[in-house]
Amino acid sequence: GQQVMQIPQYQHVQEGEDFTTYCNSSTTLSNIQWYKQRPGGHPVFLIQLVKSGEVKKQKRLTFQFGEAKKNSSLHITATQTTDVGTYFCAGPSAGGTSYGKLTFGQGTILTVHP
Amino acid sequence: EAGVAQSPRYKIIEKRQSVAFWCNPISGHATLYWYQQILGQGPKLLIQFQNNGVVDDSQLPKDRFSAERLKGVDSTLKIQPAKLEDSAVYLCASSSGGGPGNTIYFGEGSWLTVV
Repeated sequence: GQQVMQIPQYQHVQEGEDFTTYCNSSTTLSNIQWYKQRPGGHPVFLIQLVKSGEVKKQKRLTFQFGEAKKNSSLHITATQTTDVGTYFCAGPSAGGTSYGKLTFGQGTILTVHP
Repeated sequence: EAGVAQSPRYKIIEKRQSVAFWCNPISGHATLYWYQQILGQGPKLLIQFQNNGVVDDSQLPKDRFSAERLKGVDSTLKIQPAKLEDSAVYLCASSSGGGPGNTIYFGEGSWLTVV
């Protein structure tokens, strides 16, 4: 079945450092979504990328969708303690046309030392 | 706008017992999802409803799990009998539609511990 892998599994940074997490799918994706889950919280939708090579920015967060639509990345510039949490990428399951039938990666846990 | 409501928030049961979780989606959202999130993993879709019909339940362990969405609004997820490996957070989510461009909103989750 479809697999979505994320690296690294954990990342610890000093406040002010940059952070990047990478997402790779075993199959081509029609779109990719990113979610943030704070410790003890629930996933919160951040963004969706649809086009090959698409780049979107949200303040200090930059999201990229690969040309082959099989990989994606999330980059945070100058991390803050409020960035702490687990970042998940998710893509439609193989054969799934529904937006909601998502396969999630295992997530990257980000901790920020003040 | 009120978010996705779930209850109970926490539940501890013994193996072989049963448990039920309730979800009330955001008003007007036609699509409702139940995800299972085991500690340290990403959420896994168990079942998806469009109004009161099942769109996908391919990953639902049907020998012990059941879910319904009567009247196309609230939903209940039941586990009977529970196993130790069912310990997880059960996340309900909803969206206005089932296609691209529809943001999925998750509830706070129901934390289940099976002992």
